[in-house]
Amino acid sequence: NAGVMQNPRHLVRRRGQEARLRCSPMKGHSHVYWYRQLPEEGLKFMVYLQKENIIDESGMPKERFSAEFPKEGPSILRIQQVVRGDSAAYFCASSPSPEAYGYTFGSGTRLTVV
Amino acid sequence: AQTVTQSQPEMSVQEAETVTLSCTYDTSESDYYLFWYKQPPSRQMILVIRQEAYKQQNATENRFSVNFQKAAKSFSLKISDSQLGDAAMYFCAYSLGYGGSQGNLIFGKGTKLSVKP
Repeated sequence: NAGVMQNPRHLVRRRGQEARLRCSPMKGHSHVYWYRQLPEEGLKFMVYLQKENIIDESGMPKERFSAEFPKEGPSILRIQQVVRGDSAAYFCASSPSPEAYGYTFGSGTRLTVV
Repeated sequence: AQTVTQSQPEMSVQEAETVTLSCTYDTSESDYYLFWYKQPPSRQMILVIRQEAYKQQNATENRFSVNFQKAAKSFSLKISDSQLGDAAMYFCAYSLGYGGSQGNLIFGKGTKLSVKP
């Protein structure tokens, strides 16, 4: 089992471009969570998805950010028209059930906006 | 709203010694989970130990143990026989045990642990 795979590991975007972050959950895990870690901070919850459904997006900024977890393929976190303040590490975690007890985190994607 | 507070931004320990990292949390729930995660420079989030609130017995994983004081809403991590590989950021986290947002983790700001040879 390869674990939770996130790619790319590093992503550099110019202001105004789009960023797409991918997360492939562990085999058998149908629950995906996205977190953002700003410099010198802990992780903050963004969105919780199950296959084809957004269950809780209470931590997502209202504009420019969206997430999906299609029936086939990885979960995608999409940031449109990136700004410098979007620079952060974005982590994905997957779980076999809707609780944090069985979480496995990916290694994160570090987004740098220049 | 639930909050998690780590009051020690940085800690230092001598190799082979014992160190305790502090964590307090605020919640009105009675059923929840608590976690300690380690984040080395590689950035990988590694689960160190976890505790169910309904269990009175403190969790232990090899050199890592917790002191869970439910009434005081305190969840400290003790690392015994510290090793150089223990150097990392340590995050305390809270999650509801049930409900719609039961999987959402709330993290503290972290404690940076240095281990001196």
